[in-house]
Amino acid sequence: NAGVMQNPRHLVRRRGQEARLRCSPMKGHSHVYWYRQLPEEGLKFMVYLQKENIIDESGMPKERFSAEFPKEGPSILRIQQVVRGDSAAYFCASSPSGTPNGYTFGSGTRLTVV
Amino acid sequence: TQLLEQSPQFLSIQEGENLTVYCNSSSVFSSLQWYRQEPGEGPVLLVTVVTGGEVKKLKRLTFQFGDARKDSSLHITAAQTGDTGLYLCAGAKDQGAQKLVFGQGTRLTINP
Repeated sequence: NAGVMQNPRHLVRRRGQEARLRCSPMKGHSHVYWYRQLPEEGLKFMVYLQKENIIDESGMPKERFSAEFPKEGPSILRIQQVVRGDSAAYFCASSPSGTPNGYTFGSGTRLTVV
Repeated sequence: TQLLEQSPQFLSIQEGENLTVYCNSSSVFSSLQWYRQEPGEGPVLLVTVVTGGEVKKLKRLTFQFGDARKDSSLHITAAQTGDTGLYLCAGAKDQGAQKLVFGQGTRLTINP
């Protein structure tokens, strides 16, 4: 009974490199959400995807950040040319429907940019 | 601008005491959720409240949604060391909204 699986758990990147964060939703869940959490803060919404579609990307920075949820495989959050300010915990959640009442979060990926 | 304000931000009490954590907003939410987050882990859903004035109990935890659906509280009775963690409230602005707005969290420490 696997929950939401995120990998890697920890990721260290040098400034200017690319970071790829993966999220496999719970079985039967077709809605994926990405959130970012800075130290000692709550989570901030980034993007909401369904299979092959971006539904709401209102929380995504305009540059360097992109997300996808292909027909097969996990959802990917990609950050190009990382900067120190991208260091944070990135959480993925999934739900069986399009409303957040049934969110299940993964354990997150902690990105450190050095 | 923080849409959901949690108070207090930090709370440290002795085991056996009672406590209340608040989540306030000037905005109306169609539903509100409480999560608990352990260090190094993702948030875990505790409860969802959807009706103004609703009260839900989860063992020693009591959750209330304000009548106007702008605020919520979490009350813990006879706190235990296992209750230590970060408590987050999160709201959905509209019916059918797909994203949540989170408060900044209350860091609760229960001392033995």
